[in-house]
Amino acid sequence: SSELTQDPAVSVALRQTVRITCQGDSLRSYYASWYQQKPGQAPVLVIYGKNNRPSGIPDRFSGSTSGNTAYLTIAGAQAEDEADYYCNSRDSSGNHLIFGGGTKLTVL
Amino acid sequence: QVTLKESGPVLVKPTETLTLTCTVSGFSLSNTEMGVSWIRQPPGKALEWLAHIFWNDDISYSASLRSRLTISKDTSKSQVVLTMTNMDPVDTATYYCARIWYGGNRYNWFDPWGQGTLVTVSS
Repeated sequence: SSELTQDPAVSVALRQTVRITCQGDSLRSYYASWYQQKPGQAPVLVIYGKNNRPSGIPDRFSGSTSGNTAYLTIAGAQAEDEADYYCNSRDSSGNHLIFGGGTKLTVL
Repeated sequence: QVTLKESGPVLVKPTETLTLTCTVSGFSLSNTEMGVSWIRQPPGKALEWLAHIFWNDDISYSASLRSRLTISKDTSKSQVVLTMTNMDPVDTATYYCARIWYGGNRYNWFDPWGQGTLVTVSS
Protein backbone atom coordinates (compact mmCIF):
# COMPACT_ATOMS: atom_id res chain seq x y z
CA SER A 1 0.00 0.00 0.00
CA SER A 2 1.00 3.63 -0.19
CA GLU A 3 0.04 4.64 3.32
CA LEU A 4 1.63 5.01 6.71
CA THR A 5 -0.85 5.19 9.59
CA GLN A 6 -0.17 6.92 12.89
CA ASP A 7 -2.35 7.53 15.92
CA PRO A 8 -3.36 11.22 15.84
CA ALA A 9 -2.60 11.85 19.50
CA VAL A 10 -0.74 10.18 22.35
CA SER A 11 -0.07 11.37 25.89
CA VAL A 12 2.54 10.36 28.44
CA ALA A 13 3.25 11.33 32.02
CA LEU A 14 6.47 13.16 32.64
CA ARG A 15 9.48 10.79 32.87
CA GLN A 16 7.42 7.81 31.74
CA THR A 17 8.01 5.77 28.59
CA VAL A 18 5.90 6.22 25.48
CA ARG A 19 5.80 4.33 22.19
CA ILE A 20 4.55 5.99 19.03
CA THR A 21 3.50 3.66 16.22
CA CYS A 22 3.56 3.82 12.45
CA GLN A 23 1.83 1.10 10.42
CA GLY A 24 2.16 0.27 6.76
CA ASP A 25 2.79 -2.68 4.49
CA SER A 26 5.95 -1.10 3.08
CA LEU A 27 7.54 -1.27 6.54
CA ARG A 28 7.99 -4.99 6.00
CA SER A 29 10.63 -4.07 3.40
CA TYR A 30 11.84 -0.59 4.28
CA TYR A 31 12.96 1.12 7.47
CA ALA A 32 11.18 4.18 8.79
CA SER A 33 12.72 7.47 9.76
CA TRP A 34 11.18 9.68 12.45
CA TYR A 35 10.90 13.47 12.72
CA GLN A 36 10.02 15.75 15.61
CA GLN A 37 8.27 19.01 14.79
CA LYS A 38 7.54 21.72 17.33
CA PRO A 39 5.09 24.55 16.58
CA GLY A 40 6.40 27.02 14.05
CA GLN A 41 9.58 25.04 13.45
CA ALA A 42 10.93 22.80 10.72
CA PRO A 43 11.00 19.05 11.39
CA VAL A 44 14.09 17.55 12.99
CA LEU A 45 15.34 14.02 12.35
CA VAL A 46 15.37 11.89 15.52
CA ILE A 47 15.73 8.28 14.26
CA TYR A 48 16.70 6.71 10.94
CA GLY A 49 17.50 3.26 9.61
CA LYS A 50 17.38 0.27 11.90
CA ASN A 51 17.86 2.41 15.03
CA ASN A 52 20.24 5.30 14.40
CA ARG A 53 20.23 8.60 16.24
CA PRO A 54 21.75 11.73 14.70
CA SER A 55 24.28 13.62 16.71
CA GLY A 56 22.58 15.74 19.35
CA ILE A 57 19.48 13.58 19.75
CA PRO A 58 19.17 12.26 23.32
CA ASP A 59 19.55 8.54 23.82
CA ARG A 60 16.07 8.35 25.32
CA PHE A 61 14.88 8.21 21.68
CA SER A 62 15.02 4.80 20.00
CA GLY A 63 13.44 3.06 17.04
CA SER A 64 12.41 -0.48 16.18
CA THR A 65 10.30 -2.41 13.70
CA SER A 66 8.15 -5.50 13.96
CA GLY A 67 6.28 -6.79 10.95
CA ASN A 68 4.41 -3.90 9.35
CA THR A 69 4.84 -1.55 12.32
CA ALA A 70 7.61 0.86 13.18
CA TYR A 71 7.96 2.23 16.69
CA LEU A 72 9.48 5.35 18.11
CA THR A 73 10.11 4.93 21.84
CA ILE A 74 10.88 7.78 24.20
CA ALA A 75 12.16 6.41 27.50
CA GLY A 76 11.63 8.92 30.27
CA ALA A 77 9.76 11.59 28.35
CA GLN A 78 10.67 15.19 29.10
CA ALA A 79 8.53 18.29 28.78
CA GLU A 80 10.58 19.39 25.77
CA ASP A 81 9.58 16.21 23.92
CA GLU A 82 6.04 17.53 23.50
CA ALA A 83 5.72 17.88 19.74
CA ASP A 84 4.32 16.34 16.58
CA TYR A 85 6.10 13.22 15.39
CA TYR A 86 6.07 11.98 11.80
CA CYS A 87 7.25 8.70 10.36
CA ASN A 88 8.53 8.42 6.81
CA SER A 89 9.47 5.53 4.57
CA ARG A 90 9.22 4.34 1.01
CA ASP A 91 5.99 3.11 -0.46
CA SER A 92 5.57 -0.54 -1.40
CA SER A 93 6.98 0.06 -4.88
CA GLY A 94 10.14 1.47 -3.35
CA ASN A 95 10.07 4.33 -5.82
CA HIS A 96 8.33 7.01 -3.78
CA LEU A 97 8.53 8.35 -0.26
CA ILE A 98 5.59 8.76 2.06
CA PHE A 99 4.88 10.32 5.45
CA GLY A 100 2.50 9.21 8.12
CA GLY A 101 -0.24 11.54 9.24
CA GLY A 102 1.66 12.53 12.37
CA THR A 103 1.16 11.96 16.11
CA LYS A 104 0.74 14.81 18.54
CA LEU A 105 2.56 13.89 21.74
CA THR A 106 1.44 15.55 24.96
CA VAL A 107 3.63 15.27 28.04
CA LEU A 108 1.48 15.53 31.16
CA GLN B 1 27.71 23.61 8.99
CA VAL B 2 25.13 22.32 6.55
CA THR B 3 22.23 24.67 5.77
CA LEU B 4 19.44 24.79 3.24
CA LYS B 5 17.36 27.85 2.45
CA GLU B 6 14.19 28.06 0.40
CA SER B 7 13.30 31.09 -1.67
CA GLY B 8 10.44 31.99 -3.95
CA PRO B 9 7.18 33.92 -4.08
CA VAL B 10 4.98 34.15 -1.00
CA LEU B 11 1.84 34.60 -3.09
CA VAL B 12 0.83 33.03 -6.38
CA LYS B 13 -2.44 33.18 -8.29
CA PRO B 14 -4.49 30.14 -9.23
CA THR B 15 -3.33 28.50 -12.48
CA GLU B 16 0.11 30.12 -12.20
CA THR B 17 3.38 28.17 -12.01
CA LEU B 18 5.32 28.17 -8.75
CA THR B 19 9.11 28.19 -8.88
CA LEU B 20 11.03 27.54 -5.67
CA THR B 21 14.77 27.52 -5.19
CA CYS B 22 16.72 25.70 -2.50
CA THR B 23 20.23 27.04 -1.93
CA VAL B 24 22.48 24.72 0.00
CA SER B 25 25.74 25.29 1.81
CA GLY B 26 28.13 23.05 3.69
CA PHE B 27 27.90 20.24 1.16
CA SER B 28 28.01 19.77 -2.59
CA LEU B 29 25.15 18.56 -4.76
CA SER B 30 27.70 16.19 -6.31
CA ASN B 31 28.45 14.47 -2.98
CA THR B 32 27.63 10.78 -3.26
CA GLU B 33 24.73 9.23 -1.38
CA MET B 34 22.90 12.49 -0.89
CA GLY B 35 20.59 14.85 -2.66
CA VAL B 36 17.80 17.36 -2.03
CA SER B 37 14.14 16.72 -1.51
CA TRP B 38 11.10 18.98 -1.44
CA ILE B 39 8.39 18.45 1.15
CA ARG B 40 5.32 20.55 1.88
CA GLN B 41 2.94 21.02 4.79
CA PRO B 42 -0.47 22.71 4.47
CA PRO B 43 -1.39 24.77 7.53
CA GLY B 44 -2.29 22.46 10.41
CA LYS B 45 -1.79 19.34 8.31
CA ALA B 46 0.75 16.59 7.77
CA LEU B 47 3.98 16.56 5.81
CA GLU B 48 3.83 15.52 2.16
CA TRP B 49 6.88 14.46 0.16
CA LEU B 50 6.97 16.00 -3.31
CA ALA B 51 10.19 15.09 -5.11
CA HIS B 52 13.91 14.49 -4.80
CA ILE B 53 17.03 14.62 -6.90
CA PHE B 54 20.18 12.71 -5.99
CA TRP B 55 23.88 13.31 -6.69
CA ASN B 56 23.66 11.05 -9.75
CA ASP B 57 20.62 12.92 -11.15
CA ASP B 58 18.28 10.14 -10.07
CA ILE B 59 14.88 11.84 -9.76
CA SER B 60 11.61 10.74 -8.21
CA TYR B 61 8.25 12.49 -7.93
CA SER B 62 5.12 12.04 -5.84
CA ALA B 63 2.81 9.82 -7.83
CA SER B 64 -0.17 12.09 -7.20
CA LEU B 65 1.63 15.29 -8.29
CA ARG B 66 4.03 13.93 -10.90
CA SER B 67 2.32 15.64 -13.84
CA ARG B 68 2.76 19.06 -12.24
CA LEU B 69 6.28 18.85 -10.84
CA THR B 70 9.76 19.35 -12.25
CA ILE B 71 12.93 19.22 -10.17
CA SER B 72 16.41 20.14 -11.34
CA LYS B 73 19.78 21.08 -9.91
CA ASP B 74 22.63 23.42 -10.71
CA THR B 75 25.64 22.02 -8.93
CA SER B 76 27.82 25.03 -9.67
CA LYS B 77 25.29 27.32 -7.96
CA SER B 78 24.48 24.83 -5.16
CA GLN B 79 20.80 25.18 -6.03
CA VAL B 80 17.87 22.86 -6.54
CA VAL B 81 14.78 24.21 -8.26
CA LEU B 82 11.24 22.88 -8.03
CA THR B 83 8.48 24.01 -10.35
CA MET B 84 4.82 23.21 -9.80
CA THR B 85 2.35 24.08 -12.52
CA ASN B 86 -1.32 24.98 -12.36
CA MET B 87 -1.33 26.10 -8.73
CA ASP B 88 -4.57 25.88 -6.76
CA PRO B 89 -5.60 27.21 -3.33
CA VAL B 90 -5.24 23.67 -1.94
CA ASP B 91 -1.51 23.97 -2.70
CA THR B 92 -1.19 26.64 -0.01
CA ALA B 93 1.48 25.27 2.29
CA THR B 94 4.89 25.70 3.82
CA TYR B 95 7.38 24.26 1.37
CA TYR B 96 10.56 22.77 2.80
CA CYS B 97 13.70 21.56 1.16
CA ALA B 98 15.83 19.02 2.99
CA ARG B 99 18.98 17.08 2.35
CA ILE B 100 18.05 13.48 1.57
CA TRP B 101 20.43 10.65 2.28
CA TYR B 102 20.55 7.41 0.34
CA GLY B 103 20.73 4.54 2.81
CA GLY B 104 20.96 1.80 0.24
CA ASN B 105 18.04 -0.34 -0.78
CA ARG B 106 16.17 -0.13 2.48
CA TYR B 107 15.90 3.47 3.58
CA ASN B 108 16.37 7.19 3.12
CA TRP B 109 16.26 10.02 5.57
CA PHE B 110 16.01 13.82 5.57
CA ASP B 111 18.58 15.82 7.49
CA PRO B 112 18.81 18.73 7.88
CA TRP B 113 15.76 20.70 6.75
CA GLY B 114 15.48 24.26 5.62
CA GLN B 115 13.35 26.70 7.59
CA GLY B 116 10.54 26.47 5.04
CA THR B 117 8.72 29.10 3.03
CA LEU B 118 4.97 29.70 3.19
CA VAL B 119 3.35 29.91 -0.22
CA THR B 120 -0.24 31.14 -0.44
CA VAL B 121 -2.33 30.53 -3.52
CA SER B 122 -5.02 33.15 -3.89
CA SER B 123 -6.43 35.47 -6.48
